[in-house]
Amino acid sequence: DTEVTQTPKHLVMGMTNKKSLKCEQHMGHRAMYWYKQKAKKPPELMFVYSYEKLSINESVPSRFSPECPNSSLLNLHLHALQPEDSALYLCASSQDRVVTGELFFGEGSRLTVL
Amino acid sequence: SQQGEEDPQALSIQEGENATMNCSYKTSINNLQWYRQNSGRGLVHLILIRSNEREKHSGRLRVTLDTSKKSSSLLITASRAADTASYFCATDSMGGNKLVFGAGTILRVKS
Repeated sequence: DTEVTQTPKHLVMGMTNKKSLKCEQHMGHRAMYWYKQKAKKPPELMFVYSYEKLSINESVPSRFSPECPNSSLLNLHLHALQPEDSALYLCASSQDRVVTGELFFGEGSRLTVL
Repeated sequence: SQQGEEDPQALSIQEGENATMNCSYKTSINNLQWYRQNSGRGLVHLILIRSNEREKHSGRLRVTLDTSKKSSSLLITASRAADTASYFCATDSMGGNKLVFGAGTILRVKS
């Protein structure tokens, strides 16, 4: 299994809602990532988990809260988002640190904040 | 910023022609990777070249790396309509824990 699965594929939420994005991989990878991508822009790194511990937070606002319940799962909890947070949220995993090899990406969750 | 810069921003070619995209970066790296993204989809890894390598091939893809100029190029030979996508270079940073993407090149292959 070489897939990274993200759910939901599409999410529409109001600014007062609380929702979560989920990501799952069964490749035994020990590093997992959240990226945010706006239209016609490159993916921007948000968080990196390494061996289930948060290792990098790219100064992301606290309305985004990551969680890594186990080595296969990665969540992104969303609360009190702004319309400018509308974007494609991409999850990725890698065997270990990126210096050792490629990232495997999911298809993304497209988020619209009203 | 570690982020790579790519040129051209957009490229439109006929099927069968070759496409070349360039990437420049700012600081030393361990490896440089190229990814493809079809519209609205996830990214797919194409090729990884390490800092001690100068050239690498994979099928119709050829990647070069010049660490003295901090630049890389991706050549797609005999392009097909299915190659239409955005192409991103990405470099590792922060001790190899972080992958940072360049601005990307939008490639359109006309049939």
